[in-house]
Amino acid sequence: KAGVTQTPRYLIKTRGQQVTLSCSPISGHRSVSWYQQTPGQGLQFLFEYFSETQRNKGNFPGRFSGRQFSNSRSEMNVSTLELGDSALYLCASSPWPGRKEQPQHFGDGTRLSIL
Amino acid sequence: DQQVKQNSPSLSVQEGRISILNCDYTNSMFDYFLWYKKYPAEGPTFLISISSIKDKNEDGRFTVFLNKSAKHLSLHIVPSQPGDSAVYFCAAIDSGVIQGAQKLVFGQGTRLTINP
Repeated sequence: KAGVTQTPRYLIKTRGQQVTLSCSPISGHRSVSWYQQTPGQGLQFLFEYFSETQRNKGNFPGRFSGRQFSNSRSEMNVSTLELGDSALYLCASSPWPGRKEQPQHFGDGTRLSIL
Repeated sequence: DQQVKQNSPSLSVQEGRISILNCDYTNSMFDYFLWYKKYPAEGPTFLISISSIKDKNEDGRFTVFLNKSAKHLSLHIVPSQPGDSAVYFCAAIDSGVIQGAQKLVFGQGTRLTINP
């Protein structure tokens, strides 16, 4: 069974640009969450999607947005990139939201570097 | 405000001995806790979890203990093996006000090194 797939693995952008990251969840998983990992702030929750609807959002500015498609695949978008957006962006999927005994499984992340 | 804290950034243990990783939390609304392991250039891998209605959960060499009154949990690895060398993250589920939401709140991680 394939795991969570994130593309691209690495990305270099400059300040002011925008970027779109992609996540394909494990087959059959319908809930997708996004996290940002930085050396200073650690792993922080960005948002959670289920049935193409954002169910929960972390404390990030509106420049960070996402969406989920009918096949459960998800994308996140960051506009007007800032140097502080340099981070590892992780996607996680689980079969169904609210079932805590079914843990989220993570992809290997997209490493975004802002020059 | 760090709601989940792992106060030891690193831990070094000899192969075959017990590794104990600690985690403290402040939010009494957390009712489910997980441990993840992370190797460099890979995403976190789920290890073991515990519900707040339990005080212990065991899976092979891994045992998680929960002390609700102290808001403290620990992960025990016995015996420790070289392949256990990784960064370990403690996480809590914050369901918040949204029914069924599964926002994970992570600690800063502890780098475990197992010495041969």
